[in-house]
Amino acid sequence: DTGVSQDPRHKITKRGQNVTFRCDPISEHNRLYWYRQTLGQGPEFLTYFQNEAQLEKSRLLSDRFSAERPKGSFSTLEIQRTEQGDSAMYLCASSLPSYGYTFGSGTRLTVV
Amino acid sequence: AQSVSQHNHHVILSEAASLELGCNYSYGGTVNLFWYVQYPGQHLQLLLKYFSGDPLVKGIKGFEAEFIKSKFSFNLRKPSVQWSDTAEYFCAVNKNNAGNMLTFGGGTRLMVKP
Repeated sequence: DTGVSQDPRHKITKRGQNVTFRCDPISEHNRLYWYRQTLGQGPEFLTYFQNEAQLEKSRLLSDRFSAERPKGSFSTLEIQRTEQGDSAMYLCASSLPSYGYTFGSGTRLTVV
Repeated sequence: AQSVSQHNHHVILSEAASLELGCNYSYGGTVNLFWYVQYPGQHLQLLLKYFSGDPLVKGIKGFEAEFIKSKFSFNLRKPSVQWSDTAEYFCAVNKNNAGNMLTFGGGTRLMVKP
């Protein structure tokens, strides 16, 4: 499969725990994005990498959220001290400049 | 702040009916425009995009969209829908040279009755 892969597909965690998600983009894509989608809403931008550099972060992204793309390939999104409001689908996408995104299937997070 | 509005949250059509989904955005500068589709249980897929040139853009599966700059609109159309078009449709806007960050509308859920 040469698409965008996200792992895990589903994550259930207790409030206060830390979680980490992984995204493997399409290999030749140098841009990688994280979005969050809640039920009945469109995806909301969280952060964006060009190669290994994190170029933009949404003001929605609290200091409990951190993302990395250490070698310009895969990326991780960590949420510390999870809260029930963090329950959502976390989407990763990748692209080349001036092209539309290719999205992954997402990681559905449920915080109980 | 830039925003994207999709006025129809739910649309129900019979097969062979024509479809038009509205999308308006608030940003006044140069924009790139997209429509994405999410079929039940699947990930978001690109239907079509507009960057420049002919404002009537043709996408996959018989969809098209028209960019009307004066109306800040990018409506999606299909002359004859099929049951397999049942999905959620998202309009998205990117400010030119803004790192490809997309602002999405809230989505329109389309149900096509066989």
